[in-house]
Amino acid sequence: EVQLVESAGGLVQPGGSLRLSCAASGFTFGTYWMHWVRQTPGKGLMWVSHINSIGTGVAYEDSVKGRFTISRDNAKNTVFLQMTSLRVEDTAVYFCARASGGRAHILDFWGQGALVTVSS
Amino acid sequence: DIQMTQSPSSLSASVGDRVTISCQASQDITKYLNWYQLKPGKAPKLLMYDASNLETGVPSRFSGSGSETDFTLTISSLQPEDAATYFCQQFHNLPITFGQGTRLEIK
Repeated sequence: EVQLVESAGGLVQPGGSLRLSCAASGFTFGTYWMHWVRQTPGKGLMWVSHINSIGTGVAYEDSVKGRFTISRDNAKNTVFLQMTSLRVEDTAVYFCARASGGRAHILDFWGQGALVTVSS
Repeated sequence: DIQMTQSPSSLSASVGDRVTISCQASQDITKYLNWYQLKPGKAPKLLMYDASNLETGVPSRFSGSGSETDFTLTISSLQPEDAATYFCQQFHNLPITFGQGTRLEIK
């Protein structure tokens, strides 16, 4: 069974940092692209970032570029999202998602999400 | 960026009803359009990919159609468990973008 389990998230002050992790199981992790997507009540779903299967190719949504870094450890079946210079508007539920094999932007399995709250 | 506009933003329907949700892209995205179902506290679920292909395990009452800029998700006979928010997503260009969501309530 495919499972994606995000770390707990948390409360962070503006300007602070937080690293999310997403532990994968039930599939050959190192052969799939992975994504982070966030959900806010006001703005719905927003794609944040993706990383290719071997970690050599990444992309970011403009509003997080230069502040967020996606990475992966295929030996540990884990994908990470390092978030720095956090802003109030980064408050959201962050989901990790697997891209369907061979189709890099069809997100066929998602985690349950991690709530990140940026507030003073 | 490609803008995705869904309509309606919310709707209420009865069990057994036929429900249609629309999604319009700001430019031609051929068939690079997926649909997802979100329920509070649960992992989002892929329903349809490439506009009209049913994801494995999704009930056949769900169907999708459309191409270029206009797309539709249809539920042929609404069930209580279909209460959720539905999002379309384009993957023709980066950044991937989503519609604003359609909240479906069961009367």
